[in-house]
Order: sequence, then C-alpha cells, then structure tokens
Amino acid sequence: QLQLLESGPGPVKPSETLSLTCTVSGASIKSISHYWGWLRQPPGKALDWIGNIYYSGNTYYNPSLKSRVSISVDTSKNQFSLRLTSVSATDAAIYYCARIGYSYFVDYWGQGSQVTVSS
Amino acid sequence: QSVLTQPPSLSAAPGQKVTISCSGSNSNIGNNYVSWYQQFPRAAPKLLIFDNSKRPSGIPDRFSGSKSGTSATLDITGLQTGDEADYFCGTWDSTLTTALFGGGTKLTVL
Repeated sequence: QLQLLESGPGPVKPSETLSLTCTVSGASIKSISHYWGWLRQPPGKALDWIGNIYYSGNTYYNPSLKSRVSISVDTSKNQFSLRLTSVSATDAAIYYCARIGYSYFVDYWGQGSQVTVSS
Repeated sequence: QSVLTQPPSLSAAPGQKVTISCSGSNSNIGNNYVSWYQQFPRAAPKLLIFDNSKRPSGIPDRFSGSKSGTSATLDITGLQTGDEADYFCGTWDSTLTTALFGGGTKLTVL
C-alpha cells in the first residue's frame, strides 16, 4: 500500500524558508505514470496547487509561487522535498505531499503537515 | 474566490440522491479532465472520481461523475450519514498553467 509521509521543522518565522520532505513507501518514486507534488490548504479555503516533479527532475510550478518555490527529488531515498522562501502569514496552511496522475488528479495524499508562520 | 464555482453547501436526507456541481470555463473544465474529492474534518482529501467519470478501486458505484461543456457534476445516490463531508472538484487550467480546485461543497445528510 502506497503511503506518503511529510516531515518538517514545525513553525517558521516570517521571511524565512519553509522546508518539507515527503517520504514515499510502498512504491518506487521512479514511476513513469505519475508526478509527485505539493499542495496546501489554508484554514477554511480551497486547495492550492504548489507544484510537482517527475522522477527525472522535471518540475512544474504554480505561476503565482514560482519565484519562491523549489521542488527536488532524491530517488535513492524515495523522497521529494519542498522549499518555499520568504514566507509570510499568507503561507500558513496544511501542506500535503501527493502522488499526481497524468491528468492532474491526486490519487494518494500524505496526512498533511500544519505549517504556522509566526515570529 | 475560486475559478471553479461550487455551491457552498447542500443537504439531503438519507437514501436520497444529491448532485454537486462545479462550474468553470473553456480554459479549465471545458478542455481538461475533472476529478472529485471527499474530505472529512482534520483529514486528507480522498479521490472519488478521476478523468471526469472513472472511479478508483474501492470507491462505491454510489458515486458517479460526469462533464458537459464547462461544467461537471458529482452524483451521490443512496445517501448515508457517513457521506457527510466536504466535496470539491479539481482540474487543470491551460491558460493559467496551474491545477485548480473548487471552493468545496459541505454536504449535510439530515
């Protein structure tokens, strides 16, 4: 059974960098049929797609976040990671890592990582 | 405000059928596949429908999806109290070059 588990440092201070890692178990990250991505859900708001990566390293980012976001993959550890720079209060959300299908449906989700932005 | 429009809330009685709509435009729903998700409080979303009308393994056939033009619908038949959750649609937007999600519909099963 495929499982994704997010891990991260917890609260982030304004203007600092948010870093999260997703560990994939139960399947290889070297899937030719799927992307691996990050989404977030601010309290009471719609889901927001951050971006995704193919195992080869090709990345696709939400244009509204492109200048601040970076997603990388480590196939040796079956992990992929998110970096979001210059965070502010508007970046506070539950961050999900996910497996994304060819037509941008999300078929597997991590349990979610609550990110707070506070000084 | 989401580019994809869903009714904020719907209610129906157990055993009945409910239809949840998702309205978009030619740049998103009109020319791309739609997916649907169910989300319970404090839990991750769960995929119910992908590619407009396909069900992943394990999803009951009480859940069905369809698309017509720039709108998509999720039908839930034989409503159960356990279906009380938030439901939202998702798709790709070819102009914005981003994945989009609807604002969600809170379903109450009375």
